[in-house]
Parts: sequence; C-alpha cells; structure tokens
Amino acid sequence: DAKTTQPNSMESNEEEPVHLPCNHSTISGTDYIHWYRQLPSQGPEYVIHGLTSNVNNRMASLAIAEDRKSSTLILHRATLRDAAVYYCILRGTGNQFYFGTGTSLTVIP
Amino acid sequence: DAGVTQSPTHLIKTRGQQVTLRCSPKSGHDTVSWYQQALGQGPQFIFQYYEEEERQRGNFPDRFSGHQFPNYSSELNVNALLLGDSALYLCASSLFGGSSADTQYFGPGTRLTVL
Repeated sequence: DAKTTQPNSMESNEEEPVHLPCNHSTISGTDYIHWYRQLPSQGPEYVIHGLTSNVNNRMASLAIAEDRKSSTLILHRATLRDAAVYYCILRGTGNQFYFGTGTSLTVIP
Repeated sequence: DAGVTQSPTHLIKTRGQQVTLRCSPKSGHDTVSWYQQALGQGPQFIFQYYEEEERQRGNFPDRFSGHQFPNYSSELNVNALLLGDSALYLCASSLFGGSSADTQYFGPGTRLTVL
C-alpha cells in the first residue's frame, strides 16, 4: 500500500486560502492522487484528484510536485463549512482506498 | 439520483451477537466496498464485492463477511461481536475495472456500538 504523510492538524482564518500538504515519496507512475474530506458524522466526500498536472474544480485546486512525491490541496477561501478531516490518498491497482489519519482543519471565524 | 444509502443509521448490540448492515450503491455503479472507521482513525478497507463475489479483502478476520445481490446492493455481516467492533461502517460504490482515476462515493455510514 502506497503511503501518504499529512500533518495531524492545521488552522486557518475564515476567507483566507488554505494549503494542505501531503507527502507520498513512494508513489508509483500510475498512482492517482485523490483527496477526500470528512465532515463530522458523515462519510468521506470527494474533493479532487489528479495524476501529474495541477487540477482545479469548484471546490479546490490540487498542485502536484514535478517529481510527484508531494502534493498540496488548496482551498482558495476557507469557510466554516470547510472544517473537516482531509485525506490524501494514493490509488493504484484495485478499487480500494487506503486512508491515513488525515489532517484535521479548523477554520477560525 | 440517490447517492449511496446505508441502513440502519445507528445500531446497538451486545458482545457475541451478530449484525447485518446494508448498502445500496449509487445508480450506475456495480461495485461495493466496505470500510471500518474507529473513532479518531481513518477508514480501513474491509472488502469489496463485484458480480456477487468478494474480489479483494483487507486485514479483517473471517467474522466479517458480506454478500452482494443481483441489483448490486450489499450486506456486511459481523459475527461474534467484540467490543472492538464498535465503529462507523462505511459503504462506498464505484465502477469495477475503472481506472485508478475513478472516484468512490461513500454513504453516510452505520454507527455500530457493541456493549
């Protein structure tokens, strides 16, 4: 199982950008980088995913390092509803995801 | 379009009992995966079902078993419950054989408490 390393917790002020880092030094060439978030008492929710190029969607942006050994999830303007645990996951062969402990994001009003 | 649904929402059992949890996948999906999430931890993969067969399994004992029906819905069964089985059980659906770019859609989970 390819592993990821994330900080246990981060804080951000409301309406400011948030950069959530993830290290994945053992990533293979075909592994996609997925980000999910989990709000309290809910199942994980898809945020974004990518392979090599930076990706943008309505929720966030994903910046992937050129060597692919790290990535950063960017929330452009944090809101109180973004307070959640964010998981960075590598997905290769097979359909299962291997979750770590994630980063707990606190948004300060 | 309903997403992934799970039932029941909450469940309380006693040690030694058996429990069955249910999951209906997102419309158009044919694969169901089950995860166990202990308090304060990330979800841990239990197993995955496709075409009514268990295709992949994580590091869980045989007390954990499952089933998939022709309509793609699935059940998770846990026998001889232990206190340590208390957790949030998550179901996720996807398309089997999809690439590693495909996403999984998770249900809200079933909270199991074993007393």
